[in-house]
Amino acid sequence: QQQVKQSPQSLIVQKGGISIINCAYENTAFDYFPWYQQFPGKGPALLIAIRPDVSEKKEGRFTISFNKSAKQFSLHIMDSQPGDSATYFCAARRSDSNYKLTFGKGTLLTVNP
Amino acid sequence: EPEVTQTPSHQVTQMGQEVILRCVPISNHLYFYWYRQILGQKVEFLVSFYNNEISEKSEIFDDQFSVERPDGSNFTLKIRSTKLEDSAMYFCAIRTGGVYGYTFGSGTRLTVV
Repeated sequence: QQQVKQSPQSLIVQKGGISIINCAYENTAFDYFPWYQQFPGKGPALLIAIRPDVSEKKEGRFTISFNKSAKQFSLHIMDSQPGDSATYFCAARRSDSNYKLTFGKGTLLTVNP
Repeated sequence: EPEVTQTPSHQVTQMGQEVILRCVPISNHLYFYWYRQILGQKVEFLVSFYNNEISEKSEIFDDQFSVERPDGSNFTLKIRSTKLEDSAMYFCAIRTGGVYGYTFGSGTRLTVV
């Protein structure tokens, strides 16, 4: 019940295209859903996050769509750039559990020039 | 300047040896975390540390692991007798920025040979 399932495992997109990564969760106690971007040899860096009382959040080229009834959320990267090539992790947090994060398995995004 | 500095960046150790990984936050924080990422896999929660004591730990965090704040600023993770399967990136994290903030350090790559 603590799992966060992420797909696809890898994604190849052409420059200028839209990258879409999906996540699903089971535990309705999760109350915060961040996306992290990780470059090789670096720690995860917060990209964008959403709370379950909001259906969509947009920051620049990055958008989270959240479907509370389906317990799913997704990251959309518009106008994907080669510099976006990285591993993306969705995560979920429970504020009643020391704010620890449960991560998905990650998606390796490659944006071809 | 990063909010969380981890040292060393890379450590190679013999199986059975003790290792200490260090985390230095720039400013005072109450919540500290250690996460682990085995190569190519997802980031996994190890332990949360609040108000100078362990608040939650995962199944991974067995008796071989310990955490402490020896001088009120550094935050350390000790692995008493390393095993090959302890080889991973270890990330320290702190809660920052109000309700949602969470900052990861750049990690320590531990290689057990």
